[in-house]
Amino acid sequence: DIQMTQSPASLSASLGETVTIECRASEDIYNGLAWYQQKPGKSPQLLIYNANSLHTGVPSRFSGSGSGTQYSLKINSLQSEDVASYFCQQYYDYTFGAGTKLELK
Amino acid sequence: EVQLVESGGGLVQPGRSLKLSCAASGFTFSNYGMAWVRQTPTKGLEWVASISTGGGNTYYRDSVKGRFTISRDNAKNTQYLQMDSLRSEDTATYYCARHDLGPYWYFDFWGPGTMVTVSS
Repeated sequence: DIQMTQSPASLSASLGETVTIECRASEDIYNGLAWYQQKPGKSPQLLIYNANSLHTGVPSRFSGSGSGTQYSLKINSLQSEDVASYFCQQYYDYTFGAGTKLELK
Repeated sequence: EVQLVESGGGLVQPGRSLKLSCAASGFTFSNYGMAWVRQTPTKGLEWVASISTGGGNTYYRDSVKGRFTISRDNAKNTQYLQMDSLRSEDTATYYCARHDLGPYWYFDFWGPGTMVTVSS
């Protein structure tokens, strides 16, 4: 099984700041990675697929990058509505990362 | 607008059965693979099962193989998860999710979820 290690587990940032969340796979996943946002009490929503493709309707301040075993999600100019938990998911056996809880400083 | 609405969750004793339903609307249901994903505070998000467009191919995580059955009725735009021999570790919020239009790699829309509690 491919393990996904996500970091940090929690993150506190100020409005307008840029934040980066990372996921490391235990082996090469060839860009087979998606990112999701989950607001409190809600279901997850797709942000990024294929490591760097923005899902329909997702603001352009969200971006994904990476290759091989290392991937990241970047949020530019943090907004209050971005307070949420973020999860990565690899394609091969649908394993999710443990999540990153993003709060406002 | 894509909508997925789960139903059928509740409190059930260990060893008993429960059947979840997911009603889909706002898209051509028969064109998409579908899935169930569950979430707990301790284990996080876990993929449970997936089903192909016509229902002929099904896939399960190891821990539910032989106990859970995913199915769909394209005429009713509904998918199901029959859960038998339930265990306490199956306690979770269960989400209905739509697969991407392709090789079923990720989940592009999710329902609000239904809670399943397995306890005596």
